[in-house]
Amino acid sequence: GAGVSQSPSNKVTEKGKDVELRCDPISGHTALYWYRQSLGQGLEFLIYFQGNSAPDKSGLPSDRFSAERTGGSVSTLTIQRTQQEDSAVYLCASSFTNQETQYFGPGTRLLVL
Amino acid sequence: SQKIEQNSEALNIQEGKTATLTCNYTNYSPAYLQWYRQDPGRGPVFLLLIRENEKEKRKERLKVTFDTTLKQSLFHITASQPADSATYLCALVSGNTGKLIFGQGTTLQVKP
Repeated sequence: GAGVSQSPSNKVTEKGKDVELRCDPISGHTALYWYRQSLGQGLEFLIYFQGNSAPDKSGLPSDRFSAERTGGSVSTLTIQRTQQEDSAVYLCASSFTNQETQYFGPGTRLLVL
Repeated sequence: SQKIEQNSEALNIQEGKTATLTCNYTNYSPAYLQWYRQDPGRGPVFLLLIRENEKEKRKERLKVTFDTTLKQSLFHITASQPADSATYLCALVSGNTGKLIFGQGTTLQVKP
């Protein structure tokens, strides 16, 4: 594909439900990042994947958040037992290596009611 | 703790003027710094990267400076146009994973 794609573009869920957000990085990009952008706040790093290395999970806000990257390509961010404070835009970015420009997807807007 | 500050107030300028946005950081020695543009409802778009050993970088009407002594980067848009209206984000790389730490962004409004 031409760029990073994310799905769904919007997600409304009820408090307590689990949600899965998907990211398709640019083909050939080995590094993949998830960020969160809450209303009125800057982008906040969540998790990083690089090839087959162990992911850097240092930005995940709680153990309700997890992510995986299958086959070094597609990544899924899962939020269990969603809370209202999880409402935000979740952005995925990929880069050729971890020292290169990051290309962002359009984001998934999550609203937890 | 590491902190990045951008002017949170919106910057309003007249078309044709030069816009200057500021990014200050503390407790940090980044290898490089990046500027992104973000339009409402969209993901950030990369504009420029400047490394710690570079003082200035240019791309068309854009210019970025990086002063590691002052711990500051300035982002300039010359001959500004209404289409330049957007939020501009400063980002520093943290560690060797390439993860970015972002400022809050400055919203620029260019009036015709």
